[in-house]
Amino acid sequence: DQQVKQNSPSLSVQEGRISILNCDYTNSMFDYFLWYKKYPAEGPTFLISISSIKDKNEDGRFTVFLNKSAKHLSLHIVPSQPGDSAVYFCAASERGFGNEKLTFGTGTRLTIIP
Amino acid sequence: DTEVTQTPKHLVMGMTNKKSLKCEQHMGHRAMYWYKQKAKKPPELMFVYSYEKLSINESVPSRFSPECPNSSLLNLHLHALQPEDSALYLCASSRVDGSSYNEQFFGPGTRLTVL
Repeated sequence: DQQVKQNSPSLSVQEGRISILNCDYTNSMFDYFLWYKKYPAEGPTFLISISSIKDKNEDGRFTVFLNKSAKHLSLHIVPSQPGDSAVYFCAASERGFGNEKLTFGTGTRLTIIP
Repeated sequence: DTEVTQTPKHLVMGMTNKKSLKCEQHMGHRAMYWYKQKAKKPPELMFVYSYEKLSINESVPSRFSPECPNSSLLNLHLHALQPEDSALYLCASSRVDGSSYNEQFFGPGTRLTVL
């Protein structure tokens, strides 16, 4: 039972344009959502997070949007840069206070075309 | 120091071997985690330690034995593994704070191959 889903396995975007990565979840107990970026042969790197009391969180070029009623979140990257090419995972947890399980989506491979 | 380190980077072992993976962090985090990631799959939680005590075991086979000797170190002892245990093993750490949201920080992983 895949509780966190990323339905697009891959996405290609022109450099300088907006990249939009999507994530859907089924567990209504999830309260904290994160996006991680992963290069080959490296561990996931934390990018940005959002709690269920917010619908938007922004950090530089990265913005995460949360639609609780639709159980959907998205990551916007503007402008996209070649270094953004990586696999992006969304993840969720029930509390977010530490000492708990992160459930990851299946990942989306983002390729930025120069 | 804001990183999680893992050793070794690569490990090849036979099914009768005993080996250990090591993870270290100096961020003062009191929760540490082991995840397993197979190729083209998301990371899956194995164990969680909180304040050096095992708090979550995701029904992991006993051939994997975690240990948290102190608040900075986390080990994963391996014995009698199977070829299907070949994967990237990721360690992570986070604060434990009931009043704020805490992200997990990951190490680079150990690529394990079981022959």
